[in-house]
Amino acid sequence: DTAVSQTPKYLVTQMGNDKSIKCEQNLGHDTMYWYKQDSKKFLKIMFSYNNKELIINETVPNRFSPKSPDKAHLNLHINSLELGDSAVYFCASSQDGQVLNYGYTFGSGTRLTVV
Amino acid sequence: AQKITQTQPGMFVQEKEAVTLDCTYDTSDPSYGLFWYKQPSSGEMIFLIYQGSYDQQNATEGRYSLNFQKARKSANLVISASQLGDSAMYFCAMREDLYNFNKFYFGSGTKLNVKP
Repeated sequence: DTAVSQTPKYLVTQMGNDKSIKCEQNLGHDTMYWYKQDSKKFLKIMFSYNNKELIINETVPNRFSPKSPDKAHLNLHINSLELGDSAVYFCASSQDGQVLNYGYTFGSGTRLTVV
Repeated sequence: AQKITQTQPGMFVQEKEAVTLDCTYDTSDPSYGLFWYKQPSSGEMIFLIYQGSYDQQNATEGRYSLNFQKARKSANLVISASQLGDSAMYFCAMREDLYNFNKFYFGSGTKLNVKP
């Protein structure tokens, strides 16, 4: 069983479209995250949810909207896609946001290409 | 200021030799955790090793060890007996206790190539 699963793995779409990326974790973790990895491989946090509550919302265009229907799911919806949104998006989860030595478990990433 | 700095964008190592990947960090929090992740060409992120700021001993996990020098604020990853499968991007990351607890800071990564 995949611990953190993201779908789709690849997404090619035209500018201006709206798309969603789904993430589910079966680890019972309390906290979930979205990270963006750009073409230079730099990882930057976008959002974090703890038990369905938004706790981190970095400086991200408001075209990006996370949604957490329950603590096992964190989806990312992107409106009006732009070329600069092309990147790999990683979902991750951690067992307890209040415990220092708990690392992330990452999903396999979604490679988004906007043409 | 950068929270995590990895100064080696790319490195080569001969198979079976040891290699050290550098990582320095910046924090004023007395309690923090340091992590290393591996990202092979397939793209997934794989957790390798963890070091807590109060841990007295350097962390080890199989062929991976973390050379933790607190006063220098460095947390270098040492891979012993390199294998071809070690070729990947390696990311150093930090989690602070007091500030921004749920946020990991990642370095820019080091691309390691293991030569046969």
